[in-house]
Amino acid sequence: DTAVSQTPKYLVTQMGNDKSIKCEQNLGHDTMYWYKQDSKKFLKIMFSYNNKELIINETVPNRFSPKSPDKAHLNLHINSLELGDSAVYFCASSQELGRDTDTQYFGPGTRLTVL
Amino acid sequence: AQTVTQSQPEMSVQEAETVTLSCTYDTSESDYYLFWYKQPPSRQMILVIRQEAYKQQNATENRFSVNFQKAAKSFSLKISDSQLGDAAMYFCAYRSTGNQFYFGTGTSLTVIP
Repeated sequence: DTAVSQTPKYLVTQMGNDKSIKCEQNLGHDTMYWYKQDSKKFLKIMFSYNNKELIINETVPNRFSPKSPDKAHLNLHINSLELGDSAVYFCASSQELGRDTDTQYFGPGTRLTVL
Repeated sequence: AQTVTQSQPEMSVQEAETVTLSCTYDTSESDYYLFWYKQPPSRQMILVIRQEAYKQQNATENRFSVNFQKAAKSFSLKISDSQLGDAAMYFCAYRSTGNQFYFGTGTSLTVIP
């Protein structure tokens, strides 16, 4: 039933490791997103992606890379984790266009803690 | 670039009372969408209400309504008959014609029993 799901919900890891967060949506949406929410609750978009275009927020380090095996999945890979990467990461999806299907649906979030 | 501003980091309301959360935005687009999202302690982001800029009528969802002032680029959220379950972080968001979403910094709402 879950519209947008993320795994894992919690991730604790050491500096320097490489980790992935998975995201899946069963809404048939065209566009998926990754957001980072820092300790001050500020929500910052990292990527938006559909089957045509990947839009990268230029402030995102290239250690972060989205990988989309198919339209329903957008995974986030993070290389060489740093302390500052600790945050809650949200996946979201939306229909690309269309006046009635523009709403973004969020996953439950993944709390990443880098030690 | 579009920006979304929420000038109230924290707000509180007595249970059963009404509270209004402010949001302003900056854009040169004429067609866009505005949203309010709620984030309770569970961290889940939940859509509360949305408004299409081409519609003059203010959106309403049960106890939640907006005051959309397009010329002033203002989009406030009114919560009537506040309930304890309304306590959460509230985010105002703007969706551009290019399908990019921009979020405000959030307003933390406390509901006092």
